[in-house]
Amino acid sequence: NAGVTQTPKFQVLKTGQSMTLQCAQDMNHEYMSWYRQDPGMGLRLIHYSVGAGITDQGEVPNGYNVSRSTTEDFPLRLLSAAPSQTSVYFCASRDTGINEQFFGPGTRLTVL
Amino acid sequence: DAKTTQPTSMDCAEGRAANLPCNHSTISGNEYVYWYRQIHSQGPQYIIHGLKNNETNEMASLIITEDRKSSTLILPHATLRDTAVYYCIVRVALTGGGNKLTFGTGTQLKVEL
Repeated sequence: NAGVTQTPKFQVLKTGQSMTLQCAQDMNHEYMSWYRQDPGMGLRLIHYSVGAGITDQGEVPNGYNVSRSTTEDFPLRLLSAAPSQTSVYFCASRDTGINEQFFGPGTRLTVL
Repeated sequence: DAKTTQPTSMDCAEGRAANLPCNHSTISGNEYVYWYRQIHSQGPQYIIHGLKNNETNEMASLIITEDRKSSTLILPHATLRDTAVYYCIVRVALTGGGNKLTFGTGTQLKVEL
């Protein structure tokens, strides 16, 4: 199993540009999440999904959209990038009934 | 979710046990203690979790006090690869639904020769 994969690893955007961060998992996990991590801070939950077709907001959802059309994929969309969205983004997944979350390697995003 | 307090940083000699403390004095009866770690620039990695009994797995041991107001993560024989930020998280069981893990700033453990 590849586990949780994220692309791209690095991205630089200009203010106002849009892009999609990709996240995929091959473990057939129902739960998937997106977190962001800013320097010197812990991770903060952006959006999460409890299964295909179901998404919900975390604690910092503004400026981000998600969709979950398949169990495997959970893309995160930035509609109009802002410098405040400069961060490292982590995707995570876990199986139903299991406490352990598996995290991807992260995407480092810089918005100029 | 209950608030946790951890030391900002700790040092440990390679081969020795690393004991990482965590205070969670407002923990509720149905809240678990989870430990994750994050090696530089990588995604967090699950280590262990427990409710009230001490737990052990291939990575570490978790000791929870009888009143559950504090706990200690023990890495029995620390290696240089254990250098990381260690997060203590208290919340209801993830199996119950929802995905939020509230990560604080954690403890930076530095293992040295």
